Amino acid sequence: GESVGLHLPTLSVQEGDNSIINCAYSNSASDYFIWYKQESGKGPQFIIDIRSNMDKRQGQRVTVLLNKTVKHLSLQIAATQPGDSAVYFCAENSGYSTLTFGKGTMLLVSP
Amino acid sequence: SAVISQKPSRDICQRGTSLTIQCQVDSQVTMMFWYRQQPGQSLTLIATANQGSEATYESGFVIDKFPISRPNLTFSTLTVSNMSPEDSSIYLCSVEDLTSGENIQYFGAGTRLSVL
Repeated sequence: GESVGLHLPTLSVQEGDNSIINCAYSNSASDYFIWYKQESGKGPQFIIDIRSNMDKRQGQRVTVLLNKTVKHLSLQIAATQPGDSAVYFCAENSGYSTLTFGKGTMLLVSP
Repeated sequence: SAVISQKPSRDICQRGTSLTIQCQVDSQVTMMFWYRQQPGQSLTLIATANQGSEATYESGFVIDKFPISRPNLTFSTLTVSNMSPEDSSIYLCSVEDLTSGENIQYFGAGTRLSVL
């Protein structure tokens, strides 16, 4: 079946660097995408979302980019901090409120 | 965003027994969902908990194994029946309030289940 996946399972960065987490999706009918952050022992926390009629959306220190031509989603975190260390999941919604989650990327930030 | 409470937060159970997990939301919500997250893996949707009707199960999940209740717009339970070690996972409840105009799902902290 169609699925959402990630290119890199682990990303290690230095504090202050910018981080980029990538996600490939295969369902061309998906029209809504969400990035979640999951810290150890906690549930996923909403970070930012984007609809398919947009190609970029910015939040506080985070930016999501959507390239529908190649079915690619990315999360950019500016000035990464140790508190950003977590697993990041992309998720897609193909229109029925059910989310399909990607495999996840572990972000490790060194001080 | 809604505040979601799950109980228990963790449990250790013997094989063959059943565990019921509760999910309580601080506001009325349209949609409630149950997910499973196996160790080190991503989230897989088990079912959508429908208020006043049977839950809608995803492929690979059946009502006999994972019975779900949704008696009102703020509460749902998931039961893991006749447990085996393979059921050791984190079970997560999420909610989505369609009336808010958002399509964001918010998650509880999860229930960490270990089956011996």
